[in-house]
Amino acid sequence: DTGVSQDPRHKITKRGQNVTFRCDPISEHNRLYWYRQTLGQGPEFLTYFQNEAQLEKSRLLSDRFSAERPKGSFSTLEIQRTEQGDSAMYLCASSLSGGAASDEQFFGPGTRLTVL
Amino acid sequence: GDSVTQMEGPVTLSEEAFLTINCTYTATGYPSLFWYVQYPGEGLQLLLKATKADDKGSNKGFEATYRKETTSFHLEKGSVQVSDSAVYFCALSDRGGGFKTIFGAGTRLFVKA
Repeated sequence: DTGVSQDPRHKITKRGQNVTFRCDPISEHNRLYWYRQTLGQGPEFLTYFQNEAQLEKSRLLSDRFSAERPKGSFSTLEIQRTEQGDSAMYLCASSLSGGAASDEQFFGPGTRLTVL
Repeated sequence: GDSVTQMEGPVTLSEEAFLTINCTYTATGYPSLFWYVQYPGEGLQLLLKATKADDKGSNKGFEATYRKETTSFHLEKGSVQVSDSAVYFCALSDRGGGFKTIFGAGTRLFVKA
């Protein structure tokens, strides 16, 4: 089963450090999404790509956050100068555009970030 | 903007009890509606979905009907099991919003044997 994978699954870092997360979507999916989930809340949209183009960014995505999807395959999410408030689960999802199922997203297991 | 509101938890039920988790939404377009489930230690899984008014989504004994007139998508199950203990998220996805998914805050369900 080649679902959405994320790496690492857990990351502990000190405040002020930079971290980078990777997401590998389902291979034929052209849309890729990043969400953030804090304890007791639902996931919140951060950004999404169609192929390699980043089409939308949430206001939640401060200047310290940057996401890329080179060549329209895997994606990376980098957080610079981490803050304790960045501690959360970062979720990646992918979908295939077009047709009736184009709104169905498949989620990865997430990367849990703890900033000390 | 679009939003989803669902009943607060936790909800605690005995095995074989009837389950309802209320969900209402606000959307400017014609969204698709979803219920996702998150079991302890696992990722989000799509439980069921409905893409237009009056559609009923169903899976694993769970059902929800897309009610445009009341902007609701309540989740129901006739007889819950201990294995249904999880967090349930109501969500919507709007073509006009690039298909990003807007989630409710989640409702934690505990089922006692």
